[in-house]
Amino acid sequence: EIVLTQSPATLSLSPGERATLSCRASQTVRRYLAWYQQKPGQAPRLLIYDASKRAAGIPARFSGSGSGTDFTLTISSLEPEDFAVYYCQQRDNWPPITFGQGTRLEIK
Amino acid sequence: EVQLVESGGGLVQPGGSLRLSCAASGFTVTSTYMSWVRQAPGKGLEWVSLFYSGGNTFYADSVRGRFTISRDSSKNTLYLQMNSLRPEDTAVYYCARDFESRDPLTGYYAHYFDYWGQGTLVTVSS
Repeated sequence: EIVLTQSPATLSLSPGERATLSCRASQTVRRYLAWYQQKPGQAPRLLIYDASKRAAGIPARFSGSGSGTDFTLTISSLEPEDFAVYYCQQRDNWPPITFGQGTRLEIK
Repeated sequence: EVQLVESGGGLVQPGGSLRLSCAASGFTVTSTYMSWVRQAPGKGLEWVSLFYSGGNTFYADSVRGRFTISRDSSKNTLYLQMNSLRPEDTAVYYCARDFESRDPLTGYYAHYFDYWGQGTLVTVSS
């Protein structure tokens, strides 16, 4: 089973700042990694797939990078609606399909 | 418009059973992979089960032998039959649709969850 470790667990930033979230895989997942955003009481929403491709309707301030075992989600300039929990997920070696434990992005 | 609507959650005693439903619209459940993903209160996301478009099924170790995923093409609905429920199965259960992305460099088809339902809460407690 591929374990995904996200860091930091919590990130405190202000609107307008740049956010950098990390996801590390226990073994290579090539580029087959996704990022999801989840707000309280809502289902997750797909942001990024194949490590760097934005899903439909996702603003350009969200970008993803990385390959192999190290991946990054960057939000270039935080908007108030971006404060949420973010999960990475791998779809290279499954089952099982695995998620990271999440990074909570909170308003400073 | 793609929509997924879960139902069937509720309070059940340990050892009991429930069947969750996920009614799909805007696409056919037989045309793609479909999964169940759960989230325990205050916790992260955990994949539970997947129905492969070809008919194969996959399960997380934590539910294998107790849960069964199925689909009804006539009702365009995905199901999760949950037996021998345990307190640790308490969670919001989401159904999710896969979309397929082909990597032109490797030819690999990766799948990701592009649509999710709103979730249904299952509580296992005496």
